[in-house]
Amino acid sequence: TQLLEQSPQFLSIQEGENLTVYCNSSSVFSSLQWYRQEPGEGPVLLVTVVTGGEVKKLKRLTFQFGDARKDSSLHITAAQTGDTGLYLCAGGENSGYALNFGKGTSLLVTP
Amino acid sequence: EAQVTQNPRYLITVTGKKLTVTCSQNMNHEYMSWYRQDPGLGLRQIYYSMNVEVTDKGDVPEGYKVSRKEKRNFPLILESPSPNQTSLYFCASSPLAGGPGMDTQYFGPGTRLTVL
Repeated sequence: TQLLEQSPQFLSIQEGENLTVYCNSSSVFSSLQWYRQEPGEGPVLLVTVVTGGEVKKLKRLTFQFGDARKDSSLHITAAQTGDTGLYLCAGGENSGYALNFGKGTSLLVTP
Repeated sequence: EAQVTQNPRYLITVTGKKLTVTCSQNMNHEYMSWYRQDPGLGLRQIYYSMNVEVTDKGDVPEGYKVSRKEKRNFPLILESPSPNQTSLYFCASSPLAGGPGMDTQYFGPGTRLTVL
């Protein structure tokens, strides 16, 4: 199993603040994905990053894939209460078809 | 509407009483998988299937069985449930185009299982 470590585990901020969450591994991944999960629902895909050094933007969310393809970060600018949720990173096994998830970062954005 | 459905959504049962959680997708996806989600442990893959009659173990397969006799269905079977299988279970599907780390996983709404 290729482990993915996410940090921080919990994050509580006020609306308007910026934040960054991290996903790290000792293994190289061919791609990494970020999902967001709201209470009582299944995770929903936000982005897939494939190329080392790649940066993708989705409105106020910026995703980066490390040059060595072992880590990724998610940066949120001017957080809103609607950003509250559990953010999960996931990577496919380099050999085989398993999918590994990190334990997630639980984000709470308060007014 | 493209979706993954799971049934039941909530289930309370007793130790040792066999149960099946059904999962169905209407997107003609090759890849289907089951996960359990527990506080502090995150989302862990139980079993996955690349196509009909092709299944493989994930990280935590002990105590579970699966079958993939039809492309759209992927039931999860607990032959003798135990309290440590109390958890929130998710089924997911995806096309097997670039692989599970490249393709969008579509998740069902979850099944909350309590084993007494």
